[in-house]
Amino acid sequence: DTGVSQDPRHKITKRGQNVTFRCDPISEHNRLYWYRQTLGQGPEFLTYFQNEAQLEKSRLLSDRFSAERPKGSFSTLEIQRTEQGDSAMYLCASSLPQGELYETQYFGPGTRLLVL
Amino acid sequence: AQSVAQPEDQVNVAEGNPLTVKCTYSVSGNPYLFWYVQYPNRGLQFLLKYITGDNLVKGSYGFEAEFNKSQTSFHLKKPSALVSDSALYFCALTNAGKSTFGDGTTLTVKP
Repeated sequence: DTGVSQDPRHKITKRGQNVTFRCDPISEHNRLYWYRQTLGQGPEFLTYFQNEAQLEKSRLLSDRFSAERPKGSFSTLEIQRTEQGDSAMYLCASSLPQGELYETQYFGPGTRLLVL
Repeated sequence: AQSVAQPEDQVNVAEGNPLTVKCTYSVSGNPYLFWYVQYPNRGLQFLLKYITGDNLVKGSYGFEAEFNKSQTSFHLKKPSALVSDSALYFCALTNAGKSTFGDGTTLTVKP
């Protein structure tokens, strides 16, 4: 399967703990996006990378959230000192910046986070 | 600021009837507009997009959408609905790399 993969698929943690999620994009895609989705809502943009550069970060993202893409391939999203309000599905997507598939995002299955 | 509105939480149609799922948007500049579909326990899948050119775009599974700049709309349509089209549909807008999604419309097609 050459789609976007995310790990883990599910994570249960206690409030105050740190969690880290990983996303592996489609190999030739150099753009990578992170979203958060809660029940009944559409995906909420968090941040995106072009290669290893983080080009945009939502103002809604608190300082407890950080994302990296050190070699322009996989990316990690870390949430420090988790709160119950962080419980959500975290989605990763990737895309090509040009060509017929310009800006078309391919989504991974998501990581479902539950903070107790 | 950019925004996307899907005014209907739910759309119900009978199999074989035409369907429309509505989307309106607000953005400065030229929008890139998308429709994605989410089936239960599956990730979001791309259906179709409008970047430029012909206002009527055709996508996967017989879906099409019409870009209307004056009404700032991008409604999703299909001439004849199938039960298998039942899913959650999201309209999205991308501008300068940042994407904004609507809250989704649940489409139910009844046999």
